[in-house]
Amino acid sequence: AQSVTQPDIHITVSEGASLELRCNYSYGATPYLFWYVQSPGQGLQLLLKYFSGDTLVQGIKGFEAEFKRSQSSFNLRKPSVHWSDAAEYFCAVGTGTASKLTFGTGTRLQVTL
Amino acid sequence: DVKVTQSSRYLVKRTGEKVFLECVQDMDHENMFWYRQDPGLGLRLIYFSYDVKMKEKGDIPEGYSVSREKKERFSLILESASTNQTSMYLCASTLLLNTEAFFGQGTRLTVV
Repeated sequence: AQSVTQPDIHITVSEGASLELRCNYSYGATPYLFWYVQSPGQGLQLLLKYFSGDTLVQGIKGFEAEFKRSQSSFNLRKPSVHWSDAAEYFCAVGTGTASKLTFGTGTRLQVTL
Repeated sequence: DVKVTQSSRYLVKRTGEKVFLECVQDMDHENMFWYRQDPGLGLRLIYFSYDVKMKEKGDIPEGYSVSREKKERFSLILESASTNQTSMYLCASTLLLNTEAFFGQGTRLTVV
């Protein structure tokens, strides 16, 4: 069965600083990978996704993520964080034969001014 | 704009009550999902449906059932609510398997 690990429960960065959120997955074949963001009291919104092709994917709000098969990772990055990026971020993996997404436990991002 | 609507944002129910959580999507999506979200545990799949009247168990189906009589509507049923079912419940839908999931705003259920 697939699994997702987000090792950082909580991260604090200063506004304007760069950000990297880590995600590692476990799955035997090429996975479908997603990053979602959840603002307080809201549902989840898709930031970006990787299905195949270019391993560096661009998403909304200036986010990008890189798929590294050798490291089983799909880390999320942003070069300059804005205060409005404070939220919880979830990495998820879907598989070719499964009909569901498996989510990580989330990373809560705090942005200091 | 795509929309997934959950009927209630907040619910308070008593132990032993039968509870219905409703979800409606207006995108003609084939697949619908119910997750529960708990701090430190992320989102865990309860049930999903890939067609009308079709359903499959997710990772934590115990204590829950679902109903999908129409394509746009997917209901989660707690047959006899218990305090350990106090949680945030999120509904989602997808057009095809493993494509972008669209989420509702969530229902925060408290069982007392």
